[in-house]
Amino acid sequence: DSGVTQTPKHLITATGQRVTLRCSPRSGDLSVYWYQQSLDQGLQFLIQYYNGEERAKGNILERFSAQQFPDLHSELNLSSLELGDSALYFCASSVLAGTGNNEQFFGPGTRLTVL
Amino acid sequence: DAKTTQPPSMDCAEGRAANLPCNHSTISGNEYVYWYRQIHSQGPQYIIHGLKNNETNEMASLIITEDRKSSTLILPHATLRDTAVYYCIVRVAGLGGGADGLTFGKGTHLIIQP
Repeated sequence: DSGVTQTPKHLITATGQRVTLRCSPRSGDLSVYWYQQSLDQGLQFLIQYYNGEERAKGNILERFSAQQFPDLHSELNLSSLELGDSALYFCASSVLAGTGNNEQFFGPGTRLTVL
Repeated sequence: DAKTTQPPSMDCAEGRAANLPCNHSTISGNEYVYWYRQIHSQGPQYIIHGLKNNETNEMASLIITEDRKSSTLILPHATLRDTAVYYCIVRVAGLGGGADGLTFGKGTHLIIQP
């Protein structure tokens, strides 16, 4: 158990819909990351938040957005869903940001299926 | 971040040492070598990291060549539960090192045979 929790575990929805994925980081971790893992694209970094502020963007689509709240939990919002958005979505957390000597702890993931 | 090259798959007998190679010939002086693994559809798990010295922890050992162009992750006594995809990642170190998002390649699928 990494200490990172994600809800829900599974989510099935239809094209065009909007969903919200939730992540609670490890106690004391200020940085939250979101990753997407699909069969064709592999594991890709989407976005990072540090202490409530967006820090870095990776391959995140404009239809996707995220935020980190004062209690440090984070939400990833996916809208106008397409079949290709079906994937595993992982959240990770770390203590700091902007340092290379900084391991990330991953949650169990949310499996999103878009029908 | 520097690019890494890993073999797509490897087999190892249970109880033997598993040696997973990684080439990172374009690594810069301020880049660390990280290893993570992912056991079937679970979240990736941190294993070990190093800059230029060999490192060991309770999970594994990391051997980095003197020129830092390659490294080897060693699982000393592999068990069936070590079957996973192992990712070698090179990242910039230091405060203000930019985005911390990890860049995962395809990794090595290590299969431990009973």
